[in-house]
Amino acid sequence: EPEVTQTPSHQVTQMGQEVILRCVPISNHLYFYWYRQILGQKVEFLVSFYNNEISEKSEIFDDQFSVERPDGSNFTLKIRSTKLEDSAMYFCASSEHGGSSGEQYFGPGTRLTVT
Amino acid sequence: KQEVTQIPAALSVPEGENLVLNCSFTDSAIYNLQWFRQDPGKGLTSLLLIQSSQREQTSGRLNASLDKSSGRSTLYIAASQPGDSATYLCAVINAGANSKLTFGKGITLSVRP
Repeated sequence: EPEVTQTPSHQVTQMGQEVILRCVPISNHLYFYWYRQILGQKVEFLVSFYNNEISEKSEIFDDQFSVERPDGSNFTLKIRSTKLEDSAMYFCASSEHGGSSGEQYFGPGTRLTVT
Repeated sequence: KQEVTQIPAALSVPEGENLVLNCSFTDSAIYNLQWFRQDPGKGLTSLLLIQSSQREQTSGRLNASLDKSSGRSTLYIAASQPGDSATYLCAVINAGANSKLTFGKGITLSVRP
C-alpha cells in the first residue's frame, strides 16, 4: 500500500542552525502539507502546497520557514534558524484531492530536537 | 476560529467492550471530518473520512457518525481489543480552508486484556 515517507526520523540540531526535513508524498497525490506536534499538545497545521505554490499557511509559518518541491517526488520543509521552541514532531501529509474529498495521509514524522 | 474538543482525555475499558469516542467542534461549516489513530511516538493513521454531506462511515469494527448542525462526531469501536490501545484524534476541514485540518487533542484509549 502506498505511503508517505519522511527522513530523517530524528534530527538533533543546535539553536540557530538550518534544518531541512524531507518527505516523499504518495505518488499520485497533488496536495501536500506540513503539520507539527509539540510534545503533549495538539497537532498544528503549518502549510499546504498545491500546484507548486503555497495555498495556505498558519501564523506559525513565518519567514523562518519555507517549503519546496525540488523535483517530482520530494517535498521539503526548511527552517532557516532554529529556535528551542521549534522542537517538535513534524509530520508531512498528502492527499489526492483537496476540499471535502481530500483524505489526508500522514508520514511517520521527523522528531526535531533543538538544543 | 474553529475549536475541536475531545473529552475525556483518557479512557480505560476491558477487552470486548463496545465504546464511543466523542468529538465536538465549534464551527459547523466544515467540508469533512477525519478520524485518526496515533500510536506512541508514531505518525497518524487515517481511520475514516466523513464528508459534510454524509452522516456516517464504516470500516470493519469502526463506525463514525457526523452531526454537522450540532457540531458533533462519534467514533464507535465494536468489541474492543488490546490492539486498539492508542490515541484517537479527530480533525475537521473548514469550508473555504484550503484543506487545512484542525485537530482535537485526542483521546488515549487503553483496552485491558
